[in-house]
This record gives sequence, structure tokens and C-alpha cells, in this order.
Amino acid sequence: KNQVEQSPQSLIILEGKNCTLQCNYTVSPFSNLRWYKQDTGRGPVSLTIMTFSENTKSNGRYTATLDADTKQSSLHITASQLSDSASYICVVSASEGGGADGLTFGKGTHLIIQP
Amino acid sequence: DTGVSQDPRHKITKRGQNVTFRCDPISEHNRLYWYRQTLGQGPEFLTYFQNEAQLEKSRLLSDRFSAERPKGSFSTLEIQRTEQGDSAMYLCASSLGVGTQYFGPGTRLLVL
Repeated sequence: KNQVEQSPQSLIILEGKNCTLQCNYTVSPFSNLRWYKQDTGRGPVSLTIMTFSENTKSNGRYTATLDADTKQSSLHITASQLSDSASYICVVSASEGGGADGLTFGKGTHLIIQP
Repeated sequence: DTGVSQDPRHKITKRGQNVTFRCDPISEHNRLYWYRQTLGQGPEFLTYFQNEAQLEKSRLLSDRFSAERPKGSFSTLEIQRTEQGDSAMYLCASSLGVGTQYFGPGTRLLVL
């Protein structure tokens, strides 16, 4: 069964500090991995997308890494800001077909940035 | 604003009533997805359309749920005889083919 596990479940850090969120997956065959940011009461917004051949991708202060051998990904946030407070969801695509079998969502890491 | 829009943003209804939600995707996107999300969980797939054709439905989509996309543009999701367990955020997303899905703001449903 395709699964995506994220850790930690929740995290509280001080403004200005860095943090790293983890995503482990058992999805096969692997197509790509996306990180989404979801503000409270809003829909998810795509941050990064990585395919099998990519092992790092940056989007401003967000840097995602992918190790396809160990089936792990991380999202590193540098110099956190209050606006980074949100849930971060890891989504892994098993195929190009879309639909239920195409995407497996993690439950998300709830990040709180304290001033 | 050319993003995905959903209406209404919030809906409170009594158990047993019917509700209908609307999603307007990004105009050039041919795929439209519906998801349900409960507190502390990731989105769960419900169904998706390619143009006007409904190509896949999840087991989560009971016979009380029906979705349409009659002209391949906007879509509606109807829940009949709502139950308290239907309380959730209903998210719509659209994409161009199998590209990145862009999500709408969601409709938060509360069934009393």
C-alpha cells in the first residue's frame, strides 16, 4: 500500500531559526514528490516538485531534498518568519495517471513560528 | 484573480439537508479534482474529471455524493442527506494534464 509518513507531527520554533521537516514514503513506482504549504483555512499551495533525478530544489527560503534510494525527502526552512506558520504537506505521485492512484498525501507537519 | 475559486467558503447545515458546492478551475486546466480534508489530516481524494468526463471516484464517495462538470469548466459537488461525519473542508484543485495541481481555498462544511 502506498504511504507517506511525515515527521514531526507538529513543531514550534522561534522566529529567525531554521527547521527541517521530514517525509518518508513507500510509493511505487515513483514519479515525483511535491511539498505543499497550507495556511489555516486555505487550500494547499505548491512549494517544490522533484522528480527521480533531482536531489535538491530551492524556492526562496525553502529547500527540498530527495533521496530516492532511501525514499526520504526533507524540507528545510531557513531564517523562519511568522508567515511560515502553516501545515506542510508532502505529496508523492506514483504514476502519471492522476486520480486516486496518482497522488498519496501525507498528513502534514503543523509548524508554528513564535515571535 | 485567475486562480481556483470555490463557493461558498463556509456552509453550516442541519443533518439531513442537501448541500451543493461549486468550483471554478483555472480556465485552461482540463483536469479538476475534489478532495476532502478533516482536521489534522492530509487531503483525501474523492473524484476527478478530465474535461467533462468523470474518470475516477474514490470509495469515500458514497452514493450520497455526486459531482458534475457538465461543460468541462466549473464543477459542482452535491451531498445529499448530510451526516455529521460529512463535516470537513472540501477542496477543489485543477491541473493541466498531470501537471501540478492548484488548489482552491476550500469550502468548510459543518453539519449540525
